[in-house]
Amino acid sequence: EAGVVQSPRYKIIEKKQPVAFWCNPISGHNTLYWYLQNLGQGPELLIRYENEEAVDDSQLPKDRFSAERLKGVDSTLKIQPAELGDSAVYLCASSLGFYNEQFFGPGTRLTVL
Amino acid sequence: RKEVEQDPGPFNVPEGATVAFNCTYSNSASQSFFWYRQDCRKEPKLLMSVYSSGNEDGRFTAQLNRASQYISLLIRDSKLSDSATYLCVVGAGEGAQKLVFGQGTRLTINP
Repeated sequence: EAGVVQSPRYKIIEKKQPVAFWCNPISGHNTLYWYLQNLGQGPELLIRYENEEAVDDSQLPKDRFSAERLKGVDSTLKIQPAELGDSAVYLCASSLGFYNEQFFGPGTRLTVL
Repeated sequence: RKEVEQDPGPFNVPEGATVAFNCTYSNSASQSFFWYRQDCRKEPKLLMSVYSSGNEDGRFTAQLNRASQYISLLIRDSKLSDSATYLCVVGAGEGAQKLVFGQGTRLTINP
Protein backbone atom coordinates (compact mmCIF):
# COMPACT_ATOMS: atom_id res chain seq x y z
CA GLU A 1 0.00 0.00 0.00
CA ALA A 2 1.38 3.42 -0.93
CA GLY A 3 2.17 5.77 1.90
CA VAL A 4 1.60 9.49 2.15
CA VAL A 5 3.09 11.21 -0.87
CA GLN A 6 4.46 14.72 -0.75
CA SER A 7 6.05 16.92 -3.37
CA PRO A 8 8.38 18.55 -3.86
CA ARG A 9 10.87 17.01 -1.45
CA TYR A 10 13.05 20.09 -1.45
CA LYS A 11 12.37 23.71 -2.36
CA ILE A 12 14.65 26.73 -2.30
CA ILE A 13 13.11 30.13 -2.88
CA GLU A 14 13.89 33.75 -2.23
CA LYS A 15 11.94 35.66 0.38
CA LYS A 16 8.70 37.24 -0.75
CA GLN A 17 8.20 34.51 -3.36
CA PRO A 18 5.19 32.20 -3.23
CA VAL A 19 5.54 28.46 -2.69
CA ALA A 20 3.13 25.53 -2.68
CA PHE A 21 3.35 22.02 -1.29
CA TRP A 22 1.23 19.07 -2.33
CA CYS A 23 0.14 16.04 -0.35
CA ASN A 24 -1.67 12.87 -1.31
CA PRO A 25 -2.79 10.91 1.76
CA ILE A 26 -3.19 7.17 2.14
CA SER A 27 -6.29 5.99 0.33
CA GLY A 28 -9.32 5.97 2.59
CA HIS A 29 -7.83 8.24 5.23
CA ASN A 30 -10.36 10.95 6.05
CA THR A 31 -8.13 12.98 8.34
CA LEU A 32 -5.26 14.98 6.90
CA TYR A 33 -2.77 17.13 8.79
CA TRP A 34 -0.17 19.67 7.82
CA TYR A 35 2.68 20.18 10.27
CA LEU A 36 5.69 22.45 10.41
CA GLN A 37 8.87 21.09 11.97
CA ASN A 38 11.83 23.24 12.86
CA LEU A 39 15.23 21.75 13.54
CA GLY A 40 15.40 20.19 16.98
CA GLN A 41 11.68 20.60 17.60
CA GLY A 42 8.66 18.37 17.33
CA PRO A 43 6.08 18.82 14.58
CA GLU A 44 3.65 21.70 15.15
CA LEU A 45 0.17 21.39 13.73
CA LEU A 46 -0.80 23.97 11.13
CA ILE A 47 -4.16 22.60 10.02
CA ARG A 48 -6.26 19.46 10.30
CA TYR A 49 -8.90 18.37 7.81
CA GLU A 50 -11.73 15.94 8.31
CA ASN A 51 -12.59 15.11 4.69
CA GLU A 52 -12.72 18.51 2.98
CA GLU A 53 -13.49 20.51 6.14
CA ALA A 54 -10.74 22.35 7.99
CA VAL A 55 -11.65 21.52 11.60
CA ASP A 56 -8.58 23.01 13.27
CA ASP A 57 -6.65 25.83 11.64
CA SER A 58 -6.00 27.82 14.79
CA GLN A 59 -2.22 27.60 14.34
CA LEU A 60 -2.21 28.52 10.65
CA PRO A 61 -0.79 32.04 10.05
CA LYS A 62 -3.64 33.11 7.85
CA ASP A 63 -2.03 36.31 6.66
CA ARG A 64 0.40 34.34 4.51
CA PHE A 65 -0.56 30.68 4.70
CA SER A 66 -3.49 29.00 3.03
CA ALA A 67 -4.53 25.41 2.51
CA GLU A 68 -7.17 23.52 0.64
CA ARG A 69 -8.47 20.00 0.32
CA LEU A 70 -11.16 20.48 -2.26
CA LYS A 71 -12.34 16.91 -2.90
CA GLY A 72 -11.42 15.53 0.47
CA VAL A 73 -8.43 13.67 -0.89
CA ASP A 74 -5.19 15.47 -1.77
CA SER A 75 -4.28 18.81 -0.29
CA THR A 76 -2.18 21.86 -1.05
CA LEU A 77 -0.48 24.19 1.42
CA LYS A 78 0.61 27.58 0.13
CA ILE A 79 2.76 30.36 1.52
CA GLN A 80 2.60 33.79 -0.02
CA PRO A 81 4.83 35.67 0.48
CA ALA A 82 7.48 33.48 2.08
CA GLU A 83 9.65 34.89 4.87
CA LEU A 84 13.08 33.81 6.08
CA GLY A 85 11.54 32.32 9.20
CA ASP A 86 9.41 29.94 7.13
CA SER A 87 12.44 27.76 6.44
CA ALA A 88 11.50 24.40 7.92
CA VAL A 89 10.27 20.93 7.02
CA TYR A 90 6.58 20.79 6.13
CA LEU A 91 5.08 17.42 6.94
CA CYS A 92 1.78 16.03 5.79
CA ALA A 93 0.14 13.19 7.68
CA SER A 94 -3.07 11.23 7.35
CA SER A 95 -5.10 8.91 9.52
CA LEU A 96 -8.34 6.97 9.38
CA GLY A 97 -9.71 9.25 12.07
CA PHE A 98 -8.53 11.73 14.65
CA TYR A 99 -7.61 9.17 17.32
CA ASN A 100 -6.00 6.72 14.92
CA GLU A 101 -2.31 6.36 14.10
CA GLN A 102 -0.98 9.17 11.98
CA PHE A 103 1.13 8.21 8.97
CA PHE A 104 3.55 10.86 7.84
CA GLY A 105 4.89 11.68 4.43
CA PRO A 106 8.60 12.32 3.87
CA GLY A 107 8.12 16.08 4.14
CA THR A 108 9.13 19.07 2.06
CA ARG A 109 12.28 20.82 3.19
CA LEU A 110 11.84 24.54 2.48
CA THR A 111 14.74 26.97 2.44
CA VAL A 112 13.94 30.66 2.12
CA LEU A 113 16.93 32.81 1.15
CA ARG B 1 4.40 26.20 30.44
CA LYS B 2 4.45 24.05 27.31
CA GLU B 3 1.55 21.67 26.84
CA VAL B 4 3.92 18.74 26.34
CA GLU B 5 7.45 18.78 27.71
CA GLN B 6 10.34 16.44 27.12
CA ASP B 7 13.99 16.48 28.05
CA PRO B 8 15.67 17.03 24.66
CA GLY B 9 18.76 15.07 25.73
CA PRO B 10 20.88 13.90 24.10
CA PHE B 11 20.98 10.62 25.97
CA ASN B 12 24.09 8.60 25.16
CA VAL B 13 23.99 5.04 26.47
CA PRO B 14 25.99 1.89 25.72
CA GLU B 15 24.49 -0.92 23.73
CA GLY B 16 22.62 -3.33 25.94
CA ALA B 17 21.77 -0.76 28.57
CA THR B 18 18.30 0.12 29.77
CA VAL B 19 17.19 3.69 29.19
CA ALA B 20 14.06 5.51 30.24
CA PHE B 21 12.67 8.96 29.59
CA ASN B 22 9.57 10.82 30.59
CA CYS B 23 7.22 13.30 29.06
CA THR B 24 4.97 15.61 31.09
CA TYR B 25 1.72 17.14 29.92
CA SER B 26 -0.31 20.03 31.28
CA ASN B 27 -3.89 19.18 30.29
CA SER B 28 -5.43 16.88 32.88
CA ALA B 29 -8.26 16.12 30.42
CA SER B 30 -5.88 14.46 27.96
CA GLN B 31 -7.05 11.03 26.85
CA SER B 32 -4.66 10.13 24.04
CA PHE B 33 -1.00 9.34 24.46
CA PHE B 34 1.55 8.07 21.98
CA TRP B 35 5.26 7.63 21.47
CA TYR B 36 6.57 8.28 17.95
CA ARG B 37 10.08 7.60 16.70
CA GLN B 38 11.86 9.87 14.25
CA ASP B 39 15.14 8.93 12.59
CA CYS B 40 17.46 11.67 11.41
CA ARG B 41 15.99 13.54 8.42
CA LYS B 42 13.08 11.09 8.23
CA GLU B 43 9.40 11.36 9.07
CA PRO B 44 7.98 10.39 12.48
CA LYS B 45 6.54 6.90 12.81
CA LEU B 46 4.31 5.51 15.54
CA LEU B 47 6.25 3.46 18.07
CA MET B 48 3.40 2.66 20.42
CA SER B 49 0.22 3.97 21.93
CA VAL B 50 0.14 4.42 25.69
CA TYR B 51 -2.77 2.93 27.59
CA SER B 52 -3.89 3.56 31.15
CA SER B 53 -2.79 0.08 32.17
CA GLY B 54 0.58 0.50 30.51
CA ASN B 55 1.73 -1.58 27.60
CA GLU B 56 4.71 -3.52 26.45
CA ASP B 57 5.98 -4.31 22.98
CA GLY B 58 9.10 -6.41 23.00
CA ARG B 59 11.89 -4.38 24.56
CA PHE B 60 9.72 -1.28 24.84
CA THR B 61 7.43 -0.47 27.74
CA ALA B 62 5.21 2.59 28.00
CA GLN B 63 3.54 3.76 31.19
CA LEU B 64 0.99 6.45 31.98
CA ASN B 65 0.80 8.24 35.32
CA ARG B 66 -2.35 10.37 35.31
CA ALA B 67 -1.90 11.66 38.86
CA SER B 68 1.47 13.19 38.02
CA GLN B 69 0.58 13.80 34.38
CA TYR B 70 3.46 12.08 32.72
CA ILE B 71 4.12 9.19 30.39
CA SER B 72 7.30 7.21 30.23
CA LEU B 73 9.13 5.05 27.75
CA LEU B 74 11.51 2.31 28.83
CA ILE B 75 13.85 0.59 26.39
CA ARG B 76 15.55 -2.58 27.59
CA ASP B 77 18.61 -4.23 26.05
CA SER B 78 19.10 -1.24 23.77
CA LYS B 79 20.33 -1.80 20.23
CA LEU B 80 22.33 0.47 17.95
CA SER B 81 19.21 0.70 15.78
CA ASP B 82 17.30 2.31 18.66
CA SER B 83 19.25 5.53 18.07
CA ALA B 84 16.63 8.08 17.11
CA THR B 85 14.55 10.93 18.45
CA TYR B 86 11.53 9.84 20.50
CA LEU B 87 8.53 12.15 20.33
CA CYS B 88 5.82 12.19 22.95
CA VAL B 89 2.32 13.00 21.63
CA VAL B 90 -0.56 13.97 23.88
CA GLY B 91 -4.11 15.05 23.32
CA ALA B 92 -4.00 18.64 24.55
CA GLY B 93 -5.69 21.98 24.15
CA GLU B 94 -9.29 22.77 24.99
CA GLY B 95 -11.25 19.56 25.29
CA ALA B 96 -8.01 17.65 24.59
CA GLN B 97 -9.01 17.72 20.93
CA LYS B 98 -5.58 18.67 19.66
CA LEU B 99 -2.71 16.20 19.44
CA VAL B 100 0.46 18.01 20.47
CA PHE B 101 3.98 16.75 19.88
CA GLY B 102 6.73 17.25 22.39
CA GLN B 103 10.14 18.55 21.41
CA GLY B 104 11.54 15.04 21.26
CA THR B 105 14.28 13.27 23.18
CA ARG B 106 17.37 12.39 21.23
CA LEU B 107 18.85 8.99 22.02
CA THR B 108 22.18 7.63 20.80
CA ILE B 109 23.18 4.04 21.51
CA ASN B 110 26.93 3.58 21.46
CA PRO B 111 28.72 0.32 20.58
